[in-house]
Amino acid sequence: DTGVSQNPRHKITKRGQNVTFRCDPISEHNRLYWYRQTLGQGPEFLTYFQNEAQLEKSRLLSDRFSAERPKGSFSTLEIQRTEQGDSAMYLCASSPSGTSGALAQYFGPGTRLLVL
Amino acid sequence: SQKIEQNSEALNIQEGKTATLTCNYTNYSPAYLQWYRQDPGRGPVFLLLIRENEKEKRKERLKVTFDTTLKQSLFHITASQPADSATYLCALDMSAGNKLTFGGGTRVLVKP
Repeated sequence: DTGVSQNPRHKITKRGQNVTFRCDPISEHNRLYWYRQTLGQGPEFLTYFQNEAQLEKSRLLSDRFSAERPKGSFSTLEIQRTEQGDSAMYLCASSPSGTSGALAQYFGPGTRLLVL
Repeated sequence: SQKIEQNSEALNIQEGKTATLTCNYTNYSPAYLQWYRQDPGRGPVFLLLIRENEKEKRKERLKVTFDTTLKQSLFHITASQPADSATYLCALDMSAGNKLTFGGGTRVLVKP
């Protein structure tokens, strides 16, 4: 078990460019979550998948953001036409789906995005 | 409006003492409450979860309480060590396994 991995770890881009981040969850986990975290704040939910199905998207997620998990394994998060306000740490987490009860989420190291 | 409040001021504590952190929430009805630890530049790490019908949960030097009447959780680190220095996040889980709603975190600094 190598844990949740995210690539790239850091990304610097110019305003208006598109960026794509990748998340590889723990292999037996079928739930995958994306969060965004800005300095001094807690993570903020963006979206989550159960296998390849995207089950919920935050109302805060603008149309410029899209996430996929095509084969129920890795996921990508794309931001189109980046804005300076998109600068943040993007965190991915995974968890197994249980038949009952809450489950811990296992977070990756995050991708830090800076939009100039 | 819905709010999750954790003390935004850092908690400075002497090694060996007990650190107590609070998490208060309004206009939420969580089924579960989770606590995570986050070190600078890293993702959060799960510590403990407690169900709405549980009053207290323990794991080694950690203890969590959950009072749904007061809408509050307390997180205790007993016999604190410098290695416990980190930011601690509480997170509400409204229905098992779905998204987590996080507080802003409290930074803890344990001085030797």
